[in-house]
Amino acid sequence: AQSVTQLDSQVPVFEEAPVELRCNYSSSVSVYLFWYVQYPNQGLQLLLKYLSGSTLVKGINGFEAEFNKSQTSFHLRKPSVHISDTAEYFCAVIEGTSYDKVIFGPGTSLSVIP
Amino acid sequence: SAVISQKPSRDICQRGTSLTIQCQVDSQVTMMFWYRQQPGQSLTLIATANQGSEATYESGFVIDKFPISRPNLTFSTLTVSNMSPEDSSIYLCSGRDSGETQYFGPGTRLLVL
Repeated sequence: AQSVTQLDSQVPVFEEAPVELRCNYSSSVSVYLFWYVQYPNQGLQLLLKYLSGSTLVKGINGFEAEFNKSQTSFHLRKPSVHISDTAEYFCAVIEGTSYDKVIFGPGTSLSVIP
Repeated sequence: SAVISQKPSRDICQRGTSLTIQCQVDSQVTMMFWYRQQPGQSLTLIATANQGSEATYESGFVIDKFPISRPNLTFSTLTVSNMSPEDSSIYLCSGRDSGETQYFGPGTRLLVL
């Protein structure tokens, strides 16, 4: 069965510093990959997605992610974070065998320190 | 992109009662789903809402406890039946478009006393 791992449950980072949130998945078939952000007391918002093509994907709010098939990873990066980036970030996967269910990782809580 | 709304946004209920949550999408989606999110945790898929037929439930979730309807492409309901405090959670409706992008409603915050 497929699974999604986010190795860091909490990531504190100073404002204007770079950040990387790690995501690894387990699947032997093709996948679609997503990053969602959840601000406090709000629903989930799509940051970016990888379906095919270029492995470097750019999303909203200055975030980008790189799909690495050999390492089964889809790490999220931002070169300079803002206070407003403080939120919960979820990596998610749709597996290519069924394309039906989105499997979510446990989430990473990003705290930007002024 | 699809915009998803849910009603109610929050509720406080007594144990043993039932609550029906409504989900409306502003455009057609190919698939609709219901998730539960416990405080501070990730999302757990409850079921896939199928148009005009019974929902497909994930392990640990049953129709008697979480009956789901989807009468058309843009509307679905989830009922939390015979509630207990363990059902206190955020319930999220989600819809997927033909481009495989999944959108989420703002969630319904349920507290069962």
